[in-house]
Amino acid sequence: GNSVTQMEGPVTLSEEAFLTINCTYTATGYPSLFWYVQYPGEGLQLLLKATKADDKGSNKGFEATYRKETTSFHLEKGSVQVSDSAVYFCALSEGTNAGKSTFGDGTTLTVKP
Amino acid sequence: NAGVTQTPKFQVLKTGQSMTLQCAQDMNHEYMSWYRQDPGMGLRLIHYSVGAGITDQGEVPNGYNVSRSTTEDFPLRLLSAAPSQTSVYFCASSPSSGNSETQYFGPGTRLLVL
Repeated sequence: GNSVTQMEGPVTLSEEAFLTINCTYTATGYPSLFWYVQYPGEGLQLLLKATKADDKGSNKGFEATYRKETTSFHLEKGSVQVSDSAVYFCALSEGTNAGKSTFGDGTTLTVKP
Repeated sequence: NAGVTQTPKFQVLKTGQSMTLQCAQDMNHEYMSWYRQDPGMGLRLIHYSVGAGITDQGEVPNGYNVSRSTTEDFPLRLLSAAPSQTSVYFCASSPSSGNSETQYFGPGTRLLVL
C-alpha cells in the first residue's frame, strides 16, 4: 500500500533560519503530493502541492519539488518566521479518490524569536 | 462562504453512548470524507463519499456509520462509543475525486470517551 514518511520532530529553529522538513513516499502509481499546515486549534489547510514529477509547488516562501527518482517531496523555506510555527503534514493522493489520501505523521515546527 | 463547518467543537461521552458529529460544506463539493487524528500520528480515513447517496469505507471504519443524503451534509455516527474512539475528528471536502484536488478541512471536533 501507499505510505508517507516524514522526518521526526519536533523541530525548533530561530527566526530567519533555513527550514527543511524531509518527506519520502511509497506509491504504486503516479500520485499527487501535498503539504498541509495545521495551526494550533485549527484544521489542516493546503500549503502547496505538485501533481507530476519535477513540478515545484510554492506558497508563502515555502517550496517543495516532486522528485520521482528519490520518491521525495521535501519542504523548504529560506527564512522562517515565528508565525510559521505549526504542524506540517506531507500527503499523497493516488488514483481517482482524492479523499483517500495518505498522510505522514506530521512534523511540529517551533520558531523562536 | 463558510467553507467546511463541524459541530460540536468538543464533546465528552460515556462508554456505550452514541452520538452524531455534524459536517456541512457550502462549496458544492462532490467529495467529502472523515478523518481521525490521534496524538503524534497523521490522519486516518474513516469513511468517504463521492456524492449524495454514495459512501464507502476508509482505513478505520469500525464503530462508525455515515450517510450522505444531500451534497452539503455528511454526518458521522458513533454507534456505541469506546475509549479507543477518543480523538480529534476532521471532516474534509474537495470539488471532485481527482487525485490532484485540494482537500478543505473543517476546524475539527475533539471527542473524549470516558
